[in-house]
Amino acid sequence: ILNVEQSPQSLHVQEGDSTNFTCSFPSSNFYALHWYRWETAKSPEALFVMTLNGDEKKKGRISATLNTKEGYSYLYIKGSQPEDSATYLCAPIDYSGNTPLVFGKGTRLSVIA
Amino acid sequence: DVKVTQSSRYLVKRTGEKVFLECVQDMDHENMFWYRQDPGLGLRLIYFSYDVKMKEKGDIPEGYSVSREKKERFSLILESASTNQTSMYLCASSLSRTGIYEQYFGPGTRLTVT
Repeated sequence: ILNVEQSPQSLHVQEGDSTNFTCSFPSSNFYALHWYRWETAKSPEALFVMTLNGDEKKKGRISATLNTKEGYSYLYIKGSQPEDSATYLCAPIDYSGNTPLVFGKGTRLSVIA
Repeated sequence: DVKVTQSSRYLVKRTGEKVFLECVQDMDHENMFWYRQDPGLGLRLIYFSYDVKMKEKGDIPEGYSVSREKKERFSLILESASTNQTSMYLCASSLSRTGIYEQYFGPGTRLTVT
C-alpha cells in the first residue's frame, strides 16, 4: 500500500488569489498519479492522470506538475473562484501499474467571495 | 459520458440487518470499486473487482462482502450492519486494470445504521 500525504489539510483563500497544494508519495516504483476534485454533494471527478517526470497538465485555471524522482506533485489554481471550493484528492500508483488507487486524505479548499 | 449509478442516496438501517448497496455502470468498464468516506479518514477501499465473479479485498473488508455476477453491476453487502458502518459509500469504475485510466464515481449512498 502506497503512503500518500497531502498538505495542507485545509486552506481558505480569497476570491482571485492563486494557491497551490502538495501531494507526496514514495518515489520508488512510481507508475502514475491521479488528481481528483470532490465538490460537496457531488461525486469525485478526475482532473489529471500523470505519468512522466516533469509532466505538466492544465485544465482551465488548474494545473499540476509532477516530480517522480523526489516523489511529489503540485496542484495550482490561478485566480481562485468560489466554484473551486472542493476537496482535492491525489492517488499514486506503484510500478505494478494496477489499480486500485490509494487516495490521500485530500486538501479541502474554501474560496471566500 | 460514463454513468455510475447507486441504488440509494440515503439509507437508514437497523443494527443486525443485512444491507445491499447496488452499483451499476453503463460503459462496459472492467474494474469496479467500493469505498467508504469518513471525516478525517479520506476515501478507503473496501473491495474491488477486475472482472465478473472476481473480487479482491481492499484496505477495510471486514464486515463486508461483494458480488459481481454481471460486468455492469457490483454489489456491496453488509452481512450484519453495525453502527460503525454508518458512513458515505461510493462506488467507482474504470476502463481496465491499468492504472492510467481515471475512475468514475457514483453519487454515493449515505448509510445510517441505528
